[in-house]
Amino acid sequence: GAVVSQHPSRVICKSGTSVKIECRSLDFQATTMFWYRQFPKQSLMLMATSNEGSKATYEQGVEKDKFLINHASLTLSTLTVTSAHPEDSSFYICSARGGRTNEKLFFGSGTQLSVL
Amino acid sequence: GENVEQHPSTLSVQEGDSAVIKCTYSDSASNYFPWYKQELGKGPQLIIDIRSNVGEKKDQRIAVTLNKTAKHFSLHITETQPEDSAVYFCAASIGTNAGKSTFGDGTTLTVKP
Repeated sequence: GAVVSQHPSRVICKSGTSVKIECRSLDFQATTMFWYRQFPKQSLMLMATSNEGSKATYEQGVEKDKFLINHASLTLSTLTVTSAHPEDSSFYICSARGGRTNEKLFFGSGTQLSVL
Repeated sequence: GENVEQHPSTLSVQEGDSAVIKCTYSDSASNYFPWYKQELGKGPQLIIDIRSNVGEKKDQRIAVTLNKTAKHFSLHITETQPEDSAVYFCAASIGTNAGKSTFGDGTTLTVKP
């Protein structure tokens, strides 16, 4: 199956700093990628849809100035958590559509963000 | 919008027994139903999927059934093994190359050796 690589897997940062998370489709092109946030023992919460070459589409309640998304190429999307605060601590996951009919979702391995 | 409900939230079985997880969806336009397995600290992994034009699909010990009329689909794992222990999510989506998946709340499966 298709492979989505996500880095870093874990990051600890001080409050007020910015953190960038990368999501790469390794063996296929992804015009659309998705970013999720997941709290312990809960389901995935879609934050935004990242579209190659255009602005991301954010879900209701997600601050676009707080969570900057860039999808500059067909294989790379980045999520930057700006001026991170302890309440931003969470598990962040990306996914990309792939497969023959482009309906299958392939997920990255996730990034555990801890803001001190 | 689509609403997906998943049951049970936790499931504990003895090794070798079968496990069944059920999901219902609300939007009759949904036509793609994947199941994901998520291990602790990792991203979800697609384990099996089914499209609305198929009633059942099997892959070794894993099978998925779909009842379009009742709008529910189920994951069946036979001959469970301790390594099957994980959180399982169902999802529903509409169309290909577009749209967003709606996920269930997840089922924590524990297989006791």
